[in-house]
Amino acid sequence: ILNVEQSPQSLHVQEGDSTNFTCSFPSSNFYALHWYRWETAKSPEALFVMTLNGDEKKKGRISATLNTKEGYSYLYIKGSQPEDSATYLCAQPRSNDYKLSFGAGTTVTVRA
Amino acid sequence: DTEVTQTPKHLVMGMTNKKSLKCEQHMGHRAMYWYKQKAKKPPELMFVYSYEKLSINESVPSRFSPECPNSSLLNLHLHALQPEDSALYLCASSQGGGTHQPQHFGDGTRLSIL
Repeated sequence: ILNVEQSPQSLHVQEGDSTNFTCSFPSSNFYALHWYRWETAKSPEALFVMTLNGDEKKKGRISATLNTKEGYSYLYIKGSQPEDSATYLCAQPRSNDYKLSFGAGTTVTVRA
Repeated sequence: DTEVTQTPKHLVMGMTNKKSLKCEQHMGHRAMYWYKQKAKKPPELMFVYSYEKLSINESVPSRFSPECPNSSLLNLHLHALQPEDSALYLCASSQGGGTHQPQHFGDGTRLSIL
């Protein structure tokens, strides 16, 4: 993996169902992995900054795990609600400075 | 409500016009960023200011000129833009540098070049 990649590009989930999607990133020179949620017509909102292999973070019904050795992170949404509809971006600092490389995002649509 | 405020929200300009995008934050953050985002693509970093000094310029054409008048304000001056510069321009800030600081984004300015 040379760049930050996210899959799937989009997904539809029924209200009340749980879902998850993937962020893959270069595992060499790992510093951190950021997750952002971007709702339509709003600004991207930081969800998590993950730094340690095996890290698991939770915010309400959303949680994320991190595997730095194999270069992936999963984001889980439990019991999806319409307000979870958004594009979820992951981003990785590629050096020890301010630069973030973003994935193209996974767009989640929750159907009532 | 976002804590990073961008104005204007929408801007339409001709290729010969000069305009400016503005960004303001009052969180005491010392790093501020400009990103460009085209439809269905990830945000691309343009500039980073750290402690009011330009620290990163991602080889952005000179028709984009950033300015940081003080620690709370960030401007992006636009001149002689091309149609391909039409995009969403996002401003962000973070508490400091380093890799563990989340970035706080504004709502963006939707720019259209005629």
